[in-house]
Amino acid sequence: DVKVTQSSRYLVKRTGEKVFLECVQDMDHENMFWYRQDPGLGLRLIYFSYDVKMKEKGDIPEGYSVSREKKERFSLILESASTNQTSMYLCASRGAQNTGELFFGEGSRLTVL
Amino acid sequence: EDQVTQSPEALRLQEGESSSLNCSYTVSGLRGLFWYRQDPGKGPEFLFTLYSAGEEKEKERLKATLTKKESFLHITAPKPEDSATYLCAVQAGGFKTIFGAGTRLFVKA
Repeated sequence: DVKVTQSSRYLVKRTGEKVFLECVQDMDHENMFWYRQDPGLGLRLIYFSYDVKMKEKGDIPEGYSVSREKKERFSLILESASTNQTSMYLCASRGAQNTGELFFGEGSRLTVL
Repeated sequence: EDQVTQSPEALRLQEGESSSLNCSYTVSGLRGLFWYRQDPGKGPEFLFTLYSAGEEKEKERLKATLTKKESFLHITAPKPEDSATYLCAVQAGGFKTIFGAGTRLFVKA
């Protein structure tokens, strides 16, 4: 069974802390994505990566960075967490073809106090 | 600008009461329209992909259809376990998939 695993389901952090969200996929997919989901706004793309060490900004990259050192792992980093980054974060992957469905992880709910 | 709009925001049905969810989209060069189901506190789960106007896909009580401007997710004789948020998404050129805000479906026994 294909799987996208996010390391933390629930996190509570304080303003100014550095936060790491990790995502691992076992499908040998080239493309990986980080979205955030907020009520009424749907899923918004933060960053994506189409290959190891490659990254592209999505629609809302401000305040975030990413790292893709290995094909199966894509990390989202909040350098200095702020309260407006409280959200559900979803990691997804997709195969080498430039279209097709996304496979999502279970999500990481982050609360910044 | 590429955009996806879903309606209604929420839909309450009695068990067995069939209905449809709407997804309107504006995109230059549609490469695929996707439907996902999302249960509370979980990630979206893929349901269907539609590629061209006139295409239809079915799975159990769900049927997705596509025109040049919108897609419908028809739910026939729903059961309480169909309660979830249904997300519509489109992919145009490039890597990005654009999501609508979703329709929350509640089915009462």
